[in-house]
Amino acid sequence: QKEVEQDPGPLSVPEGAIVSLNCTYSNSAFQYFMWYRQYSRKGPELLMYTYSSGNKEDGRFTAQVDKSSKYISLFIRDSQPSDSATYLCAMMRGRQGAQKLVFGQGTRLTINP
Amino acid sequence: GAVVSQHPSRVICKSGTSVKIECRSLDFQATTMFWYRQFPKQSLMLMATSNEGSKATYEQGVEKDKFLINHASLTLSTLTVTSAHPEDSSFYICSAQDRGLKNIQYFGAGTRLSVL
Repeated sequence: QKEVEQDPGPLSVPEGAIVSLNCTYSNSAFQYFMWYRQYSRKGPELLMYTYSSGNKEDGRFTAQVDKSSKYISLFIRDSQPSDSATYLCAMMRGRQGAQKLVFGQGTRLTINP
Repeated sequence: GAVVSQHPSRVICKSGTSVKIECRSLDFQATTMFWYRQFPKQSLMLMATSNEGSKATYEQGVEKDKFLINHASLTLSTLTVTSAHPEDSSFYICSAQDRGLKNIQYFGAGTRLSVL
């Protein structure tokens, strides 16, 4: 079983829709949770960074963490064609020293005009 | 936000040659940098962790002599693919960990290596 599971999609929705992206994980030691956006042939770009359970909002993006269920989500409101990309969830055990990120497989998202 | 510069963005080389890729943190000090490899439609695969002033730590299955990593300063790490072969063709991405900012990893734009 992989430490982090993410539905690879592809996911295709119309412009303006609310998008929900999800990851589950098995290791309860993960404390820090991130969402990265990766456009084709580019490096990942950090979208959201959260610690422990709860919600965090930034513009049209909301990150949600439920540690009891080992489940994290990213919601995109009023989706735009420019949001079309691959979204990667990533997790980290701690903040001290060199901490490796554990990535999900990435979900390919297409927003249709 | 923090900026990581990776150069070159694209390189085409002949089989048997060596290729060097640079990764620089432009506005922060990165005591740790990471090197990843990504195949089409797949997630990032960690190759090695590089700490400034010390030897890199390679993940299982990654050849140390094939992928040479140097992290000589707090803002620069290099990956050299030695005696490259067509199977080394891939997308290589570096990241730098900002120690002063919650250890977040910021990524470079990636280097697409094609070995003929």
